[in-house]
Amino acid sequence: DIVMTQSPDSLAVSLGERATINCKSSQSVLYSSINKNYLAWYQQKPGQPPKLLIYWASTRESGVPDRFSGSGSGTDFTLTISSLQAEDVALYYCQQYYSTTGTFGQGTKVEIK
Amino acid sequence: QVQLVESGGGVVQPGRSLRLSCAASGFTSSSYGIHWVRQAPGKGLEWVAVIWYDGTNKYYADSVKGRFTVSRDNSKNTLYLQMNSLRAEDTAVYYCARGVLSFGNAFDIWGQGTMVTVSS
Repeated sequence: DIVMTQSPDSLAVSLGERATINCKSSQSVLYSSINKNYLAWYQQKPGQPPKLLIYWASTRESGVPDRFSGSGSGTDFTLTISSLQAEDVALYYCQQYYSTTGTFGQGTKVEIK
Repeated sequence: QVQLVESGGGVVQPGRSLRLSCAASGFTSSSYGIHWVRQAPGKGLEWVAVIWYDGTNKYYADSVKGRFTVSRDNSKNTLYLQMNSLRAEDTAVYYCARGVLSFGNAFDIWGQGTMVTVSS
């Protein structure tokens, strides 16, 4: 199975500042024939199901604010919140679906400093 | 309204069985793969299983292989997760989620989840 490792486990950022979450896969999730990475990012708030933010590593889901962006390719990926808002306090997960068994990272908790 | 609604959770003794349902509405579920994802209390997300849109392929996490079975009834727009030989470590909120091929199988719609507690 592909193992997804996120860093850090938690971070505290001041309102309006940048938050950066990293995600590393144990093997490449780039499907070279179509040049796309099978990597998604989700946000989960307490008591709620996860919400899709980013797919194909960098494509923002409809309705997701443009302060959220995804980047990276192959095995190394980043989710950036360019200007942290109070409503962004949540857990964030990366997920690969390159293999037939999808796997999630362990999650990163984002808080306000 | 596009949505998934899980049901069937509850408290069950170790070694017993439980069947979860996932009712799809607002879209044709037969056009999508449906995944099951679980979350133990205070823990992260764990992918559990998937059934392809036409039911031809099913895949499972190693932690549930041989004990859990996914199925679907497209005529009822309903998906199922049959869980046998339940263990304490299966205690979790179970979500069903829609996988979108054009999104690289990212999960764009999630249910609210149903809680399964395995305890004597």
